[in-house]
Amino acid sequence: DTGVSQDPRHKITKRGQNVTFRCDPISEHNRLYWYRQTLGQGPEFLTYFQNEAQLEKSRLLSDRFSAERPKGSFSTLEIQRTEQGDSAMYLCASRFVDRDDNEQFFGPGTRLTVL
Amino acid sequence: SQKIEQNSEALNIQEGKTATLTCNYTNYSPAYLQWYRQDPGRGPVFLLLIRENEKEKRKERLKVTFDTTLKQSLFHITASQPADSATYLCALGRRAYGQNFVFGPGTRLSVLP
Repeated sequence: DTGVSQDPRHKITKRGQNVTFRCDPISEHNRLYWYRQTLGQGPEFLTYFQNEAQLEKSRLLSDRFSAERPKGSFSTLEIQRTEQGDSAMYLCASRFVDRDDNEQFFGPGTRLTVL
Repeated sequence: SQKIEQNSEALNIQEGKTATLTCNYTNYSPAYLQWYRQDPGRGPVFLLLIRENEKEKRKERLKVTFDTTLKQSLFHITASQPADSATYLCALGRRAYGQNFVFGPGTRLSVLP
């Protein structure tokens, strides 16, 4: 399967714990995006990378959130000291920047539940 | 403030009819607009893109229009089928190099047999 993959698919944690999610984009894609989606809402932009450089972060992203893409391939999103309000689906998407239609390819998401 | 709205939260139509979904935005100047389909528990899947200088785009049973004066896009599915039942999201593409995508809340479409 050559699509975007995310791991884990589900994560249940207690408030105050740290969690880390992984995203493996489509191999030739140079842009990688992280989104958060809650029930009944569209995906909300968190941050994106061009190769290994993190080019933009949402103002909504608190200091407890950090993302990396160390070698321009897979990416990790870490949430420290989780809060119940962090419960959501975390989506990763990738694309090749010179594609004319700007199509993003989304992974299946990681569903986080903070108890 | 900036806002994206998509018609109603849910839309029910009869099989074979044309479904029309709307995406309205305020205080944005998108370079383009995309439509995605999302099934429960899955990530969105890209359907169509329309640029600011285009009025209409078609792909098979799908048609998208874009009116930058009205700040509105319409998404049509003709000859709808129960398999078209899903949530449909519009996404605005920023003009700037960063090219963030801003998504609307989505419309849940149910096509009844």
